[in-house]
Amino acid sequence: QKEVEQDPGPLSVPEGAIVSLNCTYSNSAFQYFMWYRQYSRKGPELLMYTYSSGNKEDGRFTAQVDKSSKYISLFIRDSQPSDSATYLCAMRTGANSKLTFGKGITLSVRP
Amino acid sequence: EAGVTQSPTHLIKTRGQQATLRCSPISGHTSVYWYQQALGLGLQFLLWYDEGEERNRGNFPPRFSGRQFPNYSSELNVNALELEDSALYLCASSLGLAGADTQYFGPGTRLTVL
Repeated sequence: QKEVEQDPGPLSVPEGAIVSLNCTYSNSAFQYFMWYRQYSRKGPELLMYTYSSGNKEDGRFTAQVDKSSKYISLFIRDSQPSDSATYLCAMRTGANSKLTFGKGITLSVRP
Repeated sequence: EAGVTQSPTHLIKTRGQQATLRCSPISGHTSVYWYQQALGLGLQFLLWYDEGEERNRGNFPPRFSGRQFPNYSSELNVNALELEDSALYLCASSLGLAGADTQYFGPGTRLTVL
């Protein structure tokens, strides 16, 4: 079993839709949870960063963490064509600073 | 503020050769991380350097090595290149405070092994 599993894609939605992206993990030592967005031929950029269970909102983006179920989600409201990218969940323990990533899901928002 | 920079953008090598990839962190960042993003495998942790020392290493063979210089820039060396080393190599930097720091990524070096 991989440490981090991410819903496979690709995902295609119409503009304005609510998008839900999900990851599950098996290592209960993970304490810090991130979502990165990666455009084609670019490096990942940090979207959301949280370390506690619950919701964190930033504009159209909401990150949700459920440590008891070992489950994290990213919600995108009012999705735009510019949101078309690959979304990667990542997590880390407090100990050694390496990030463990999901495989990523490619999102396409149709105008 | 300048972000993480990497050079070269693209690198083409033949099997058995050596590749050297370079990374300059964000000013003020002391930690540098290297990741490999191969098709179908996702981002895999390679190496972590902080204050000039190797702090952690991923599950990669010893022919993947690197170093961090006094100015905190870093170099990744891949010896005896194999076809499966073809990937995007990403460098990230952070402030180096264990547990709470955020990693910021560069644009990557695309390595192609023929």
